[in-house]
Amino acid sequence: DTEVTQTPKHLVMGMTNKKSLKCEQHMGHRAMYWYKQKAKKPPELMFVYSYEKLSINESVPSRFSPECPNSSLLNLHLHALQPEDSALYLCASSQDGTGGDEKLFFGSGTQLSVL
Amino acid sequence: GQNIDQPTEMTATEGAIVQINCTYQTSGFNGLFWYQQHAGEAPTFLSYNVLDGLEEKGRFSSFLSRSKGYSYLLLKELQMKDSASYLCAVRDRNSGYALNFGKGTSLLVTP
Repeated sequence: DTEVTQTPKHLVMGMTNKKSLKCEQHMGHRAMYWYKQKAKKPPELMFVYSYEKLSINESVPSRFSPECPNSSLLNLHLHALQPEDSALYLCASSQDGTGGDEKLFFGSGTQLSVL
Repeated sequence: GQNIDQPTEMTATEGAIVQINCTYQTSGFNGLFWYQQHAGEAPTFLSYNVLDGLEEKGRFSSFLSRSKGYSYLLLKELQMKDSASYLCAVRDRNSGYALNFGKGTSLLVTP
């Protein structure tokens, strides 16, 4: 199983809503990532978890709150988002986040629209 | 931080060869990756280089020169399905080994 599964695939929410994006992998990977991608732009790193601990937070606004309940799951909790937060949110995983030739496996993303 | 630069768009003909260049500047280089991304889909891994030289994988090859901060992705025998965005990504040990992506090159393959 080399899949990273993200749910939901599409999400429309208002600026006062609270929602969560979910990501799951069963490859035994110990590093998981959230990236944000706007149309025709490259993925931008948001958060990195390594061994269930947050290791990188790329100055992301607090309205985005990541959570890693265990080594297979990664959530992104959303609250009071702005329309400019509309984007494709990609989850990825890799072996353990310590470099070398480990590659990132991406999920198919959640397309988020904030109204 | 790092700067990763690649052309925005390229067009090539089915059956031809195309080379997509990438230049980068980084303080803690720990590998360079190429990913392919079709519109609305997740990026998929194509190649990895950490030492200088050419890595060949079927119709795709990738080259790296660390002293020049330069890589290219070579696609041979182009097929229509190769129309996609090609993302150059650099791993930096000073950024927690996460991948940082260039802006991507949108390749259009024409009949």
